[in-house]
Amino acid sequence: ETGVTQTPRHLVMGMTNKKSLKCEQHLGHNAMYWYKQSAKKPLELMFVYNFKEQTENNSVPSRFSPECPNSSHLFLHLHTLQPEDSALYLCASSQAHDGGDTQYFGPGTRLTVL
Amino acid sequence: AQSVTQPDIHITVSEGASLELRCNYSYGATPYLFWYVQSPGQGLQLLLKYFSGDTLVQGIKGFEAEFKRSQSSFNLRKPSVHWSDAAEYFCAVGYGSYIPTFGRGTSLIVHP
Repeated sequence: ETGVTQTPRHLVMGMTNKKSLKCEQHLGHNAMYWYKQSAKKPLELMFVYNFKEQTENNSVPSRFSPECPNSSHLFLHLHTLQPEDSALYLCASSQAHDGGDTQYFGPGTRLTVL
Repeated sequence: AQSVTQPDIHITVSEGASLELRCNYSYGATPYLFWYVQSPGQGLQLLLKYFSGDTLVQGIKGFEAEFKRSQSSFNLRKPSVHWSDAAEYFCAVGYGSYIPTFGRGTSLIVHP
């Protein structure tokens, strides 16, 4: 595997379900990100992890819970979601340094909440 | 705060025609600039980036972009568009250790 991988690629869940999205990066990076991409809206940064520590949480509802067990893996745990949470969830990684972070993205998980 | 504007929501071109997608940023310092492309149902793929040096940057798939400080712009160009270039294009701007900010995207439609 190369680059950034995400599983599953598609997920359909009910509002009472609990599911998790997984992201893995094979680039040796030390920063990982979750973004939400909804139709007709700009890319929304949700969470940032640097060296496994969460450094940013952009007022994301608590029904989204991130986990970063090591610098290569990132999870997004989902519970009691709402239909408006249906979107493409993108994971990205970068080598954080004081010179501009070039982010590399995974293919995304298309989430549909019924 | 840093911001980036892509003034065109949609651009339609004929296959073989030239292409220019506009991107403007607002901030006083010299930015780091990126262009990404997203095909339907896919993630964002980096086309090119500017950090410093030559203001004309070459990228993958025959794309190039030019940083113009006087105009606060970083427009993406391609001399001859192929049908496979139809996608969503995102400009992003970053400063120092700040996480890049993305524009809203421009959807490119290619007519045969």
